[in-house]
Amino acid sequence: DTAVSQTPKYLVTQMGNDKSIKCEQNLGHDTMYWYKQDSKKFLKIMFSYNNKELIINETVPNRFSPKSPDKAHLNLHINSLELGDSAVYFCASSQGRGLGGVEQFFGPGTRLTVL
Amino acid sequence: SQKIEQNSEALNIQEGKTATLTCNYTNYSPAYLQWYRQDPGRGPVFLLLIRENEKEKRKERLKVTFDTTLKQSLFHITASQPADSATYLCALVWNYGQNFVFGPGTRLSVLP
Repeated sequence: DTAVSQTPKYLVTQMGNDKSIKCEQNLGHDTMYWYKQDSKKFLKIMFSYNNKELIINETVPNRFSPKSPDKAHLNLHINSLELGDSAVYFCASSQGRGLGGVEQFFGPGTRLTVL
Repeated sequence: SQKIEQNSEALNIQEGKTATLTCNYTNYSPAYLQWYRQDPGRGPVFLLLIRENEKEKRKERLKVTFDTTLKQSLFHITASQPADSATYLCALVWNYGQNFVFGPGTRLSVLP
């Protein structure tokens, strides 16, 4: 059983398009995250949701909008894609309110390529 | 702002030796410091967590130390094996969990 799953695994699209990445966790965790890992391998937190409530919202363009329909899902919608959005996006989850005091479980990543 | 550095971008060691990776930070003392392993094409996997009031944590062949005076954490893998080859990331949490940052990682290669 996959603990944290993401779809799609690969996403190739043109500049200006709108796309979504889906994430689901079956661990019963309350907190979910989105991270971006760029070509230099820096892993940077973008958003964190606890029980559908946004608790971390780093400085990311407002073209990125997370949506949490329930605590097991956290989707990432990106409008008007730009070349610089090309990266690997990771979803993660953790127990309780998370925020570093507990381990995070990461999904396999979605490699987004904007042409 | 908080700056995190991990020792060389890449580290090569001989099988059986102890690998020592460093994580240095510049400003705020983190409440927690975590270490993760990342293999190519995969998500990070949690290894160990150490709190600011802890000096050392161990798990099997892994050991983490935390020195808030030096603003440094050391991550040791004893009796290293080729299967330990991966990128190792440290992550810091401070400001009551409102700030969470990963370091740039160190790519470890254990040579047979």
